Amino acid sequence: DIQMTQSPASLSASLGETISIECRASEDIYSNLAWYQQKSGKSPQLLIYAANRLQDGVPSRFSGSGSGTQYSLKISGMQPEDEGDYFCLQGSKFPFTFGSGTKLEIK
Amino acid sequence: EVQLVESGGGLVQPGRSMKLSCAASGFTFSNYGMAWVRQAPTKGLEWVATISYDGSSTYYRDSVKGRFTISRDNAKSTLYLQMNSLRSEDTATYYCTRDEYYGYNYYFDYWGQGVMVTVSS
Repeated sequence: DIQMTQSPASLSASLGETISIECRASEDIYSNLAWYQQKSGKSPQLLIYAANRLQDGVPSRFSGSGSGTQYSLKISGMQPEDEGDYFCLQGSKFPFTFGSGTKLEIK
Repeated sequence: EVQLVESGGGLVQPGRSMKLSCAASGFTFSNYGMAWVRQAPTKGLEWVATISYDGSSTYYRDSVKGRFTISRDNAKSTLYLQMNSLRSEDTATYYCTRDEYYGYNYYFDYWGQGVMVTVSS
């Protein structure tokens, strides 16, 4: 199985701050990487797919980058509504696997 | 508007069975692969099973293979997950998701609100 190592596990950011979350795959996943946001008690919402493509309706302060085994999600200018848990997903090979998650809070 | 509405969860004893349903609307159900993803309490997300748009292909994680069956009824726009021989480690919120592709990139673009399954005596 492809292991997805996500870091950091938690992060505290000030309003307007730029933050990054990383996911490292145990093998090349050929940009087959998606990012999700999950707010408390809600289902996950797709932010980014194919490593760097922004899902319709997602604010442009969210961006994704990376290739091979290393990927990152950047939020350029933290907003209050960005608090929540963030997960990466590799869809390159069965079984599809998620990162362990990053809890993002407002400082 | 795409909507996925799960039902059928609840409390079940270890070793017993339960069947989840997911009613889809707002898109042409028969054009899309679908999947189930679960999340144990305060834990991360775990892919469970995927079914192709026409039901001809199915895929499972090892821990549920032989116990769970994913199926669909395209005439009813409904996805199912039959869960047999349930274990305590199957306790989780189960999400119905829609598969999407961008080239060779695969991901889940829409998720239901989730249904809780608790396996306990």
